[in-house]
Parts: sequence; structure tokens; C-alpha cells
Amino acid sequence: AQSVTQLDSQVPVFEEAPVELRCNYSSSVSVYLFWYVQYPNQGLQLLLKYLSGSTLVKGINGFEAEFNKSQTSFHLRKPSVHISDTAEYFCAVSDRYTNAGKSTFGDGTTLTVKP
Amino acid sequence: DTAVSQTPKYLVTQMGNDKSIKCEQNLGHDTMYWYKQDSKKFLKIMFSYNNKELIINETVPNRFSPKSPDKAHLNLHINSLELGDSAVYFCASSQGTGRGTEAFFGQGTRLTVV
Repeated sequence: AQSVTQLDSQVPVFEEAPVELRCNYSSSVSVYLFWYVQYPNQGLQLLLKYLSGSTLVKGINGFEAEFNKSQTSFHLRKPSVHISDTAEYFCAVSDRYTNAGKSTFGDGTTLTVKP
Repeated sequence: DTAVSQTPKYLVTQMGNDKSIKCEQNLGHDTMYWYKQDSKKFLKIMFSYNNKELIINETVPNRFSPKSPDKAHLNLHINSLELGDSAVYFCASSQGTGRGTEAFFGQGTRLTVV
């Protein structure tokens, strides 16, 4: 079984500032890691995912995340945020032996970008 | 073309009623899911079907019954609706045989039970 902890429930930042959304996971087996974004009144869409290889993963909209196995973390970063990045962000994990759609999700982090 | 589509988008109904939410995906995926997102935005899986067979059934009341007539459709029927069923329900799909493939989500159905 896996679990995901998103360490910040709300992150307010000013436009053009850098942001980091933190995610820690626990699992007894190797995992795949995902970040999804949910804009208001929309479904979730994939930002990026880590499967294997390079621990720095680049995604859409200028986001990137770094997989740190020793710290069991997968933090999401963006060097300069825009108002349009205001949304709910979910970190998710699935083990390597089941379908990745059956993921365990964190409780979400609300990113609010202020002008 | 919408990849994963759900209908209706909004559903308001009285306690005790029976309602259905429909989901269709045109991605050719073989696995579909239902997730429930509560008012605090916590997202929990409810069911998963692979090639029309139920493979995941989390702790969900028997009043919830998924039905998959074919690989592209997964409907959710809810009997005797209760106030606590109010939530946003998301359908999703993925390619089951591809390890590490992500889930593609529909736009959600906001169910309000009054």
C-alpha cells in the first residue's frame, strides 16, 4: 500500500515568484509518481510524471519536479508563476505492478497566485 | 474531440432518489475508473474496470453500482441517495497494459443531494 502527503494545503504566492509544492510518499515497493492539476470546475490533467531514469522531470506549463528516492519526495517547482497557475495540485503515486490509473492521491495543495 | 466525457455535468436530486451518471472514453483505453472528490477536494478511487471486468472495488456502499457495457463506457448508478453522497464524481481511463500510464479524467459530475 502507498500513501501520499502533500505538506502544504494552501500556498499563496505573488505573480512571477518561484513556487515549490511539496509531496512525500511512502511505499513498500517501487513506485511511479505523478502531479496533476485541477483548474476550477474542471477535471484533473497530468502535469508530469516520473517513471524511471533522470530524476528531474519536466512537464507542461513550465513545471518540473525532482524525484528524491532517499527522501521519498517528489516536489513540484516553477521558477516564475502566472495568475493562470492558480489551481489545485495533486501528487499521486502508484506501484509499479498495478495500473497507474489506480493511484493514491494526496489531499491536494491549493496554489493561489496573486497580482 | 472530448477524450473522457461524463453526463450530466450537474445533478441535483432529492434524498432517496436513484440516479445514474454516464461516462464514455474515446481513447481506446481498456481500463476505466470512478473517483469521488468531496467538498475538501479529497480524491478517492471507488471502482475500476478492466475490459469490462471489475478489478477494484474500494469500500463503497452497496447503493453504488458501476456497470460497464463495453470497454468505452462505465456508468455509475446510485440507489437511495443520501445527503453524504453529495460530491463531484470523476470518471477516468487509462491503458491498463502500459505500466506508468497516467489517468485521463472527465470534467466531473457535481452531484447535490437535497
